[in-house]
Amino acid sequence: DAMVIQNPRYQVTQFGKPVTLSCSQTLNHNVMYWYQQKSSQAPKLLFHYYDKDFNNEADTPDNFQSRRPNTSFCFLDIRSPGLGDAAMYLCATSRESTNQPQHFGDGTRLSIL
Amino acid sequence: GQSLEQPSEVTAVEGAIVQINCTYQTSGFYGLSWYQQHDGGAPTFLSYNALDGLEETGRFSSFLSRSDSYGYLLLQELQMKDSASYFCAVRSGNTPLVFGKGTRLSVIA
Repeated sequence: DAMVIQNPRYQVTQFGKPVTLSCSQTLNHNVMYWYQQKSSQAPKLLFHYYDKDFNNEADTPDNFQSRRPNTSFCFLDIRSPGLGDAAMYLCATSRESTNQPQHFGDGTRLSIL
Repeated sequence: GQSLEQPSEVTAVEGAIVQINCTYQTSGFYGLSWYQQHDGGAPTFLSYNALDGLEETGRFSSFLSRSDSYGYLLLQELQMKDSASYFCAVRSGNTPLVFGKGTRLSVIA
């Protein structure tokens, strides 16, 4: 019973070629998050949506954008991937944004050629 | 700003008890969370403490002392499958969750 589903599990793109990662949820949660996690590091929040309200972290590069067309889906767009953007990208959801456990998808591992 | 400090690595023997400490500094405290992440897997929520004291869930317990800005995760009757990274996390300002750098737990026979 996958509740937060990320596709694809592995994504390879070329330097500078736009790429989109997708996330869907069956939990009907209000909040959806995108994290970047590099090897042996902690997940780092890029941005999150509370319903349709978009909240960008101050240090998230402009190269990263997000869309949430409806409650169930959220997308991460990387406009011009650089070698430093190779990482695991994790999507998570929660009912509210404070004091609620976050439910993570299995992630998409992005490689840049 | 915020910071979380936790040991980078801990090794313990199967069947033993291990404690993973976390100290934090944050502007405005809403509670301390713990997540487990196996290699190649997704973080999984373990526990949340908003008030001082010990919360127990099976073999895992989590403790918080707000006056000391300190908490810990206690794992009892360690099993090999408990080998994973464990992250403490807090809300900070408008950021719902900021993770510590993680503690890599290795359980040995």
